[in-house]
Amino acid sequence: GNSVTQMEGPVTLSEEAFLTINCTYTATGYPSLFWYVQYPGEGLQLLLKATKADDKGSNKGFEATYRKETTSFHLEKGSVQVSDSAVYFCALSTSGTYKYIFGTGTRLKVLA
Amino acid sequence: KAGVTQTPRYLIKTRGQQVTLSCSPISGHRSVSWYQQTPGQGLQFLFEYFSETQRNKGNFPGRFSGRQFSNSRSEMNVSTLELGDSALYLCASSLEGEITEAFFGQGTRLTVV
Repeated sequence: GNSVTQMEGPVTLSEEAFLTINCTYTATGYPSLFWYVQYPGEGLQLLLKATKADDKGSNKGFEATYRKETTSFHLEKGSVQVSDSAVYFCALSTSGTYKYIFGTGTRLKVLA
Repeated sequence: KAGVTQTPRYLIKTRGQQVTLSCSPISGHRSVSWYQQTPGQGLQFLFEYFSETQRNKGNFPGRFSGRQFSNSRSEMNVSTLELGDSALYLCASSLEGEITEAFFGQGTRLTVV
């Protein structure tokens, strides 16, 4: 079945460091891929998405590229801030299923 | 534009009881889905409704049920509560539910004692 694998956390970085959170997927067909972020005590917010191969999603300095050949959708940011501390979820959705499949989440802690 | 509203935010119930959670989607959104979030299992899909019809259901026992009303508001019910049902229950709404952006509510934190 379809699945998403994320790197284990927590990830601890200093402010202004480079961030990469790895995400790979297994899916039949051509899924759409998403990164969601969850701040403490909150629901999930869409960070970025990509709907077809080679698409790059970007938002708030975060980027991820849909790589069909490596079935990956790694999240990157060039310079993290303390305010980026949160849990990040990679997810996929395939046509006709009306649902997301989420990875386990990666907790990011950014130190000043 | 108001976001997704879930009520109540917190609930404490006793084993064996039943509980009903409510979700009001963003105005104009016709798809509502529900997820259970626990530290051990992560985010798991419960079910999705569109125009009062359930289109997909996750792998949860029949104690978990839901419905959607004509105004798109949705409720989920859990009967005969077990300790393992303690979780954050998240509701998400979207325009069509078909690989479109889902907007999540803040969730209902259910504790079963």
